[in-house]
Amino acid sequence: KQEVTQIPAALSVPEGENLVLNCSFTDSAIYNLQWFRQDPGKGLTSLLLIQSSQREQTSGRLNASLDKSSGRSTLYIAASQPGDSATYLCAPQANQAGTALIFGKGTTLSVSS
Amino acid sequence: ETGVTQSPTHLIKTRGQQVTLRCSSQSGHNTVSWYQQALGQGPQFIFQYYREEENGRGNFPPRFSGLQFPNYSSELNVNALELDDSALYLCASSPRTGNTEAFFGQGTRLTVV
Repeated sequence: KQEVTQIPAALSVPEGENLVLNCSFTDSAIYNLQWFRQDPGKGLTSLLLIQSSQREQTSGRLNASLDKSSGRSTLYIAASQPGDSATYLCAPQANQAGTALIFGKGTTLSVSS
Repeated sequence: ETGVTQSPTHLIKTRGQQVTLRCSSQSGHNTVSWYQQALGQGPQFIFQYYREEENGRGNFPPRFSGLQFPNYSSELNVNALELDDSALYLCASSPRTGNTEAFFGQGTRLTVV
């Protein structure tokens, strides 16, 4: 059974800092991994999708990496801004029809100005 | 191109009642998945519909049921509501089942009293 852990659970940083969010998963038999952002009480916004063959994906100030063999993914946020404050969730997915995204509890980020 | 939309955004029900939540998938997407997110937790997979058939289910009792219509919109029905059913219900659509990017709606906040 896939289990996802995100460390740290919460993080507070001043504006402008570069930061790394960590995601680990127990079953390495995944096909892709998706990172999401969630604002309080809202739905999930897709940030990045990493296919296992890609190992890394970039979008603007965000960079996500994937190491299937070690069961780890990291989300790097460069030059953080107050608008980045949200909960960040990672979700690996198996390569099988009907399978779900499996989520951890997320990392809640607060960026102060 | 319209995104995933859910209705209603909020509702309050009494224990023992039944509720129906609705989701319109993104244009061109034939797969819809439903998730339950309790406060402070990551989303938990309820079930997935692909071309009007349920093709995957999480660890939820039968009183959680669903439908998918020919236009690929979907409903989540919950019978005999319990207090623990209070949560944010999220719908996600994908262009196909399996290893593909998921796009979420804004969610429906259900409160059972």
